[in-house]
Amino acid sequence: DAGITQSPRHKVTETGTPVTLRCHQTENHRYMYWYRQDPGHGLRLIHYSYGVKDTDKGEVSDGYSVSRSKTEDFLLTLESATSSQTSVYFCASSYLPGTSGSADTQYFGPGTRLTVL
Amino acid sequence: KNEVEQSPQNLTAQEGEFITINCSYSVGISALHWLQQHPGGGIVSLFMLSSGKKKHGRLIATINIQEKHSSLHITASHPRDSAVYICAGLGVYNTDKLIFGTGTRLQVFP
Repeated sequence: DAGITQSPRHKVTETGTPVTLRCHQTENHRYMYWYRQDPGHGLRLIHYSYGVKDTDKGEVSDGYSVSRSKTEDFLLTLESATSSQTSVYFCASSYLPGTSGSADTQYFGPGTRLTVL
Repeated sequence: KNEVEQSPQNLTAQEGEFITINCSYSVGISALHWLQQHPGGGIVSLFMLSSGKKKHGRLIATINIQEKHSSLHITASHPRDSAVYICAGLGVYNTDKLIFGTGTRLQVFP
């Protein structure tokens, strides 16, 4: 398995506070992703990165920002946490998603359980 | 309506049974992933396929791109197979992102 870690693994915070989650991979993967997982919704993409300093929004990006200053690190920031952002957050990485016949698999981190009170 | 639908949502089985989980999608995809999420929460990739069939141990995944359907089969199921199984499609036009189904929760009893 690819070496992907997330920190913290658990966090409880209060509404209105900023929160930063960190994803670290040691595989030199170009692509990195942040997802949230909620009951009844499955995994939903928040933001992703296709290279250092290159990021793009996913389907649920409102209230979140990301930064990628190094290949190995991808940070997710909740500007001002709200209770609706209580979720389990997964980071993933891959070499290079391709087209048919060469699509790459994604490797997932262990997840961060965030509770916003 | 989700672009990627899985059925059933929940599945229980006795040890040794043959299990099938289905995944249908309404968008064009170039490849499909099957993922496994264990009760502890970790997610691992089982298969990535764009045509035909792949087999790994007791797991078999098939896909028919034209019919927009994929299946995951587990032969001789075992309690350690208990997990949530998720399918995810890689878009034809946007190959950077996966589109996920909501998962099938499988419980295998001894």
